[in-house]
Amino acid sequence: QQPVQSPQAVILREGEDAVINCSSSKALYSVHWYRQKHGEAPVFLMILLKGGEQKGHEKISASFNEKKQQSSLYLTASQLSYSGTYFCGAGGFGNEKLTFGTGTRLTIIP
Amino acid sequence: EAQVTQNPRYLITVTGKKLTVTCSQNMNHEYMSWYRQDPGLGLRQIYYSMNVEVTDKGDVPEGYKVSRKEKRNFPLILESPSPNQTSLYFCASGPGWGYGYTFGSGTRLTVV
Repeated sequence: QQPVQSPQAVILREGEDAVINCSSSKALYSVHWYRQKHGEAPVFLMILLKGGEQKGHEKISASFNEKKQQSSLYLTASQLSYSGTYFCGAGGFGNEKLTFGTGTRLTIIP
Repeated sequence: EAQVTQNPRYLITVTGKKLTVTCSQNMNHEYMSWYRQDPGLGLRQIYYSMNVEVTDKGDVPEGYKVSRKEKRNFPLILESPSPNQTSLYFCASGPGWGYGYTFGSGTRLTVV
């Protein structure tokens, strides 16, 4: 079952902050975050691992609540280049069966 | 340049005609995977491979085959394509669990 992302779409003005949520019905051992611009491939932003380790983008932060099986991606002082569709991916432990959410479309306007 | 290369980028074929989409990575990654992307459904995993000769089903494996004979290559085979396999396909690779993935540029497949 795919993780549920919210909101499905959001429009912000440049400089505003955004939060994208990802909720899984299964136990989470890792959460991936990717951004995809129209007509392009998804690009890796960040990975959060059970136990607290995080790896990824300098200007983007995220949280991982293992008990609630939820993750949130925080985009602060958004720039026009942040526009795109954001996907979270829920991963198990020890294998790479990764299930993505249906995406959140973020539009930043000047 | 580190990359994942998919070919072809675009393909139109007829129902039932076997086809192969190739995927190659030059980063010595252990892990490779195939996804399909459809409007409103996001990315759905078809198959993945943890290493040479090790493959496993993702969420939507029906109608697809894969093989991993070499570390760098992970072709996707459609033995008898049907119109419901019309989609945008992405190959991805990564060092393994706990690391992010690099995606290829995608293959847009149309089955008529």
